[in-house]
Amino acid sequence: GAVVSQHPSWVICKSGTSVKIECRSLDFQATTMFWYRQFPKQSLMLMATSNEGSKATYEQGVEKDKFLINHASLTLSTLTVTSAHPEDSSFYICSAPTGGMETQYFGPGTRLLVL
Amino acid sequence: DAKTTQPPSMDCAEGRAANLPCNHSTISGNEYVYWYRQIHSQGPQYIIHGLKNNETNEMASLIITEDRKSSTLILPHATLRDTAVYYCIVRGTGTASKLTFGTGTRLQVTL
Repeated sequence: GAVVSQHPSWVICKSGTSVKIECRSLDFQATTMFWYRQFPKQSLMLMATSNEGSKATYEQGVEKDKFLINHASLTLSTLTVTSAHPEDSSFYICSAPTGGMETQYFGPGTRLLVL
Repeated sequence: DAKTTQPPSMDCAEGRAANLPCNHSTISGNEYVYWYRQIHSQGPQYIIHGLKNNETNEMASLIITEDRKSSTLILPHATLRDTAVYYCIVRGTGTASKLTFGTGTRLQVTL
C-alpha cells in the first residue's frame, strides 16, 4: 500500500507556543490531504481538508486561525497548532488518497502534549 | 455519507476466524464500504473495500449482502496482532470524499 509519514511522532511543548506537524506522501503525489484529531478512547474526527495550491477547508467548529494548514507541494502538508493550550493535547493523524478509488492511506500519527 | 452500526466489542480465539458485522441500511447506490483498523496508538490501516461483490485480499475478505444493507469483514485466521479497533465506513467516490469514523468494533484476540 501507499506510504504516508508524519513528523514528529510525538512532541511536548509549553502552553502558548506553536507546533508544526508535517505529513508526507512518500511514494505518490497527493493534491488533497486530510487532517484528523483523536482524543483518548474516542474515534477520529476530521479537522480539515488540505488542498495543494489553495486554501484548506475546515470542518465546522475547527478554528482555522488556530490550526494553520499549508499544502506546500504535492507530497507535503503541514499543520501548525498556534498558541497551543493543554486542551489541544491530542493524537493528530493525516491521510492522503491515491489509486483509482482514491483510497485514503494514513500516517502513523503525532502525539501532542501541551504542558 | 451513510451511517454505519457496529457492535462495540468482540472476542476471538487465536487461529479462529473473526467475523465482524456492519450495518449500513441507508447506503446509496454509488457508495462503497471501506474497512480500516487502528492498532493502539497508531494511524488507521486500510484493509479492504467493496461496492457489491465480495472481495478478498491478503488481509481479509469482505462479504456484502445482496441488498447492500450490511457487510461482514472476515479475518480467516486471527492472530494476537489483529487485536485492534475495526472501523466500517461508507464512502462515496472521488478524492474529496471524506471518511467519517464511527466508534468501530474493538476486537480482542485471545490465546
